[in-house]
Amino acid sequence: AQRVTQPEKLLSVFKGAPVELKCNYSYSGSPELFWYVQYSRQRLQLLLRHISRESIKGFTADLNKGETSFHLKKPFAQEEDSAMYYCALSGANFNKFYFGSGTKLNVKP
Amino acid sequence: DAGITQSPRHKVTETGTPVTLRCHQTENHRYMYWYRQDPGHGLRLIHYSYGVKDTDKGEVSDGYSVSRSKTEDFLLTLESATSSQTSVYFCAIMPTPTDTQYFGPGTRLTVL
Repeated sequence: AQRVTQPEKLLSVFKGAPVELKCNYSYSGSPELFWYVQYSRQRLQLLLRHISRESIKGFTADLNKGETSFHLKKPFAQEEDSAMYYCALSGANFNKFYFGSGTKLNVKP
Repeated sequence: DAGITQSPRHKVTETGTPVTLRCHQTENHRYMYWYRQDPGHGLRLIHYSYGVKDTDKGEVSDGYSVSRSKTEDFLLTLESATSSQTSVYFCAIMPTPTDTQYFGPGTRLTVL
């Protein structure tokens, strides 16, 4: 069955510290992986996706098929990074999306 | 905001009453989705549509039905609301299969 697991409900770090938000997935096929972010009082929006292999706002994510993981990383966290982060998975046809339960990132000054 | 709106934005209703939530887009995109967001569960797909009159079930479709008679509108109906359907409901649109999803502002539904 398709499943996305985000083991941390809350992650607190100090400004300037590295941050890693964990995401593990289960999917019988070749999935597409995404990270979405929801800032306070804003709509959920795409942060980055695996196939684009891009860095957005200093965040990167590497797909590790052996460990079935897609962890989100940033070397130096900023206060404005505080938000709710969701890892998501889609099959090759992009018809269905599966989201993790989310990790709330709190960057302290 | 990708031209996507949801109505109503807030609703309080009683158990057993029917409720319809509306998702409206101005871009005529093909793919539309309904999710519910609950603490500890993240977003879960209820139903989705890949065109007018073409819909399919998501992972939590029981108790929900949808209709899409026009490209721009995707309606989610709770035939007989239950307290377990208290949630925040998000609509999303996707222009093409290789594009991203754009989300609406959400509807907070409380079933008493």
